[in-house]
Amino acid sequence: AQSVTQLDSQVPVFEEAPVELRCNYSSSVSVYLFWYVQYPNQGLQLLLKYLSGSTLVESINGFEAEFNKSQTSFHLRKPSVHISDTAEYFCAVSELQGAQKLVFGQGTRLTINP
Amino acid sequence: DAGVTQSPTHLIKTRGQQVTLRCSPKSGHDTVSWYQQALGQGPQFIFQYYEEEERQRGNFPDRFSGHQFPNYSSELNVNALLLGDSALYLCASSWWGQGYEQYFGPGTRLTVT
Repeated sequence: AQSVTQLDSQVPVFEEAPVELRCNYSSSVSVYLFWYVQYPNQGLQLLLKYLSGSTLVESINGFEAEFNKSQTSFHLRKPSVHISDTAEYFCAVSELQGAQKLVFGQGTRLTINP
Repeated sequence: DAGVTQSPTHLIKTRGQQVTLRCSPKSGHDTVSWYQQALGQGPQFIFQYYEEEERQRGNFPDRFSGHQFPNYSSELNVNALLLGDSALYLCASSWWGQGYEQYFGPGTRLTVT
């Protein structure tokens, strides 16, 4: 079984400041790793994913995440945030085979202050 | 190309009633997964359907059941509703074996009073 822990339930930052949202996972098998974003009253959108290869993955809107196997972490970072980044962010894992159900963390609410 | 659609958007039911939620997958996808997202929580996996069969089930009671139709659309049924069933129900679609590419619908907000 897998589990995901997001270490911060809320992260307030000022606009144009850097941010890091922390995610640790536990699994006895290899997993895929994901970050999803949920804007108010909407469903989930895939932000980025790690399947294999380079441990640093990037999204089109400036976010990046680094897979650290030894620390079982997949932290999300952005060097300069915008008001539009205000949302709930979920880290998730799935097994490589079978149904590949997603196991989510509790979420981190990112609030950007002007 | 239509993405994942869900209906209805919102629903209010009374304890003990039954509810049916519907999902149409993204064009070309053959696998549908359902998730429950309680307020302030991350989504939790309910079950997954492929080839009209339930392929995997999460830790949910038998009151939660589903169906997949030949056109790959799916229904989630919940019987004997409890107050704790109030949540956002999310549907996700993918190709079988490519669960790393799950696309989510906007969800159905169920309120049980």
